[in-house]
Amino acid sequence: EAGVAQSPRYKIIEKRQSVAFWCNPISGHATLYWYQQILGQGPKLLIQFQNNGVVDDSQLPKDRFSAERLKGVDSTLKIQPAKLEDSAVYLCASSLETGGGYTFGSGTRLTVV
Amino acid sequence: LAKTTQPISMDSYEGQEVNITCSHNNIATNDYITWYQQFPSQGPRFIIQGYKTKVTNEVASLFIPADRKSSTLSLPRVSLSDTAVYYCLVGGKNAGNMLTFGGGTRLMVKP
Repeated sequence: EAGVAQSPRYKIIEKRQSVAFWCNPISGHATLYWYQQILGQGPKLLIQFQNNGVVDDSQLPKDRFSAERLKGVDSTLKIQPAKLEDSAVYLCASSLETGGGYTFGSGTRLTVV
Repeated sequence: LAKTTQPISMDSYEGQEVNITCSHNNIATNDYITWYQQFPSQGPRFIIQGYKTKVTNEVASLFIPADRKSSTLSLPRVSLSDTAVYYCLVGGKNAGNMLTFGGGTRLMVKP
């Protein structure tokens, strides 16, 4: 079974620029999550989708972050404009509705300079 | 969501058994306990999940006492490749209910 695909693997941008990350979950996984992991910390949930609907985006900084999952399959997370404190690894995960744990992608390491 | 508390770090040697304990005093009746492993530059990987007593798979065992206010992840005969961060999560079994990662336990296995 193919895993959760994420791209790009690394990204370096200047502050105030925009950036977008892409995630393709495991086929058949209805639930998709975006996490932010700052160096030395555990992952922090940004947003959760169930199919193409948002279930939880309470921790998403909506003034600069946005995410969509238009067809209920792959998803895009965008930051506009980026700040220095957005430097982190952005992880995408997916799961079946019935649970059993998440499968994470390898993440996108963002560096804002 | 029930909050979890784990040791920040642990050291061990190759071939030893490692036990990492997680406290979750406010665990709810419907909550499950799940452990993840994370290597540098990778996303967390599901290790094991349980509700009560003992669960064992090819990688680890999970011990949960009767009051379920704590759990212990047991890694038998660790190797250098088990050096990683281990996270304990508590929440409902269905998707969307295990969303909060704590700081995890950084395990260092030495030769």
